[in-house]
Amino acid sequence: AQTVTQSQPEMSVQEAETVTLSCTYDTSESNYYLFWYKQPPSRQMILVIRQEAYKQQNATENRFSVNFQKAAKSFSLKISDSQLGDTAMYFCAFAHPTGKLIFGQGTTLQVKP
Amino acid sequence: DTEVTQTPKHLVMGMTNKKSLKCEQHMGHRAMYWYKQKAKKPPELMFVYSYEKLSINESVPSRFSPECPNSSLLNLHLHALQPEDSALYLCASSQELAVSGNEKLFFGSGTQLSVL
Repeated sequence: AQTVTQSQPEMSVQEAETVTLSCTYDTSESNYYLFWYKQPPSRQMILVIRQEAYKQQNATENRFSVNFQKAAKSFSLKISDSQLGDTAMYFCAFAHPTGKLIFGQGTTLQVKP
Repeated sequence: DTEVTQTPKHLVMGMTNKKSLKCEQHMGHRAMYWYKQKAKKPPELMFVYSYEKLSINESVPSRFSPECPNSSLLNLHLHALQPEDSALYLCASSQELAVSGNEKLFFGSGTQLSVL
């Protein structure tokens, strides 16, 4: 069974600094997708970044990048130059072959001015 | 238009009421999803429709009844709910069924449901 684990329930970072959110997962699949979603107080789930396991290169989207370690089944999210608008709950997710997203428990990130 | 619109944003209902949640998208997406989310918890998949046919039902109680009348619209009919059903209900859509994650999901802002 696929599982996703986020071991940091809450984190905080000063504005303009860098923060890394951790995620580990377990699967027997050889190719799959991993995601980071952001849920701000508006409650809308917003896709931050997506990584295909087949690709060795780490995905990047502006200030957001991942460190994907396939052998270790680790998928961390790095946010550079943190902004107040980055304050949100962040969910790591794994895509099950049926199309179902399996989410981790989430990390609440507070960006402080 | 890259929006998924959910109405109402908030709903309070009694355990004997019948109500419906509505979700609409005009992106031409053929897959639509209902998720349930409790406070401070991750979303949990309830139903998936692909080309207006129910593709996945995650063993959801029959007091929740989904309906997909056309490719742009997804409803969730509620009847005889329990207080523990109080949660945020999120709708999402994707171009095609997101098999293995090859499709991007677009989420709405949800309906906050309170069952008294």
